Amino acid sequence: GAVVSQHPSRVICKSGTSVKIECRSLDFQATTMFWYRQFPKKSLMLMATSNEGSKATYEQGVEKDKFLINHASLTLSTLTVTSAHPEDSSFYICSARDWGFRDTYEQYFGPGTRLTVT
Amino acid sequence: SQELEQSPQSLIVQEGKNLTINCTSSKTLYGLYWYKQKYGEGLIFLMMLQKGGEEKSHEKITAKLDEKKQQSSLHITASQPSHAGIYLCGADEGGSQGNLIFGKGTKLSVKP
Repeated sequence: GAVVSQHPSRVICKSGTSVKIECRSLDFQATTMFWYRQFPKKSLMLMATSNEGSKATYEQGVEKDKFLINHASLTLSTLTVTSAHPEDSSFYICSARDWGFRDTYEQYFGPGTRLTVT
Repeated sequence: SQELEQSPQSLIVQEGKNLTINCTSSKTLYGLYWYKQKYGEGLIFLMMLQKGGEEKSHEKITAKLDEKKQQSSLHITASQPSHAGIYLCGADEGGSQGNLIFGKGTKLSVKP
């Protein structure tokens, strides 16, 4: 199946700094990528939908100025957590849909990034 | 908006026993995905169901989608310690973008 990678897998940063997380589709082109956040004992929550070449669509309650998303190419989307605070500590997962196989509705997930803000 | 309810929230079974995890939607499902997650790790795709009444199996795991496409079950036969983890169901809301919504997960522990 298709592969999605994320980098870094783990990151620790100080409060007030910014962190960039990369999401890459390795063997297919993804015009749309999704960013999810997982809270302890809760489900994955969609943060935003990233479209190549256009502005991301953010879910209600997600601060677009804090979570900057850039989808510069068909294989790369980045999530930048700006001015990070301890409450931003979480597990962030990206996913990409391979539109080449639209009928199968398959969506591929990255391995996730564990962000810890101290 | 669509919501997914998973039950049970957690499950402890003896190795070798069978178990079932349920996922119920408030609306008709366009696509239902089952994933397994180890704590702090990414999602491992298990199965995807689309058609009412559909059933798929992989090794000792069987997933079913009911005829009304609002409920799915994941059944594990003769559980093993390697089956331990968090099982998440995800649903395609049918929107043009194709994002998924998820249940809260079921934590499975298998006692050797």
